[in-house]
Amino acid sequence: DAGITQSPRHKVTETGTPVTLRCHQTENHRYMYWYRQDPGHGLRLIHYSYGVKDTDKGEVSDGYSVSRSKTEDFLLTLESATSSQTSVYFCAISESNWGLLTGELFFGEGSRLTVL
Amino acid sequence: GQQVMQIPQYQHVQEGEDFTTYCNSSTTLSNIQWYKQRPGGHPVFLIQLVKSGEVKKQKRLTFQFGEAKKNSSLHITATQTTDVGTYFCVGDSNYQLIWGAGTKLIIKP
Repeated sequence: DAGITQSPRHKVTETGTPVTLRCHQTENHRYMYWYRQDPGHGLRLIHYSYGVKDTDKGEVSDGYSVSRSKTEDFLLTLESATSSQTSVYFCAISESNWGLLTGELFFGEGSRLTVL
Repeated sequence: GQQVMQIPQYQHVQEGEDFTTYCNSSTTLSNIQWYKQRPGGHPVFLIQLVKSGEVKKQKRLTFQFGEAKKNSSLHITATQTTDVGTYFCVGDSNYQLIWGAGTKLIIKP
């Protein structure tokens, strides 16, 4: 398995509190992604990064922000968590992005977030 | 918006029966990937198809990419308990990765 670590793996929090999820990789891959997975929706892209300090929005970015200050770390922040953000969050990495030859995505183990 | 429709949502089979899941895109795809997610696990890459009409095999799994590069299928021959999980297709269209909603393979006891 690729060296991807997500933390925390489980978190329960209350509505309105800030939450930060961390993704750490040891593969030196350029691209990093945050997805959320909800029943019946597959995986939906929240934000992605194509390099240090280079990030862009995905299809469900409202209410989320990200930062990437080092190649190996990609942080996902919920500034003020809401119950609709209860989900399983997956970090993924890849060597190449879409277009010429989409790179294989390697996923972390996931972080289960419950917002009460 | 761009969509990849994946059917069926669930498929119940007896062990030893075949399984097929289909993906259909509203737009032409430059390539398509398939992933498997075991219950409680994370998605794991299976294969990528790039060429029109491409067919690839991995043991009991057969993957096809349509001639128009708008549809794809995954067929498993003689399912085993180790095949249980959800299978996702992911289409690359206009520099976006679009995930199908997945097909959950359930083996009947």
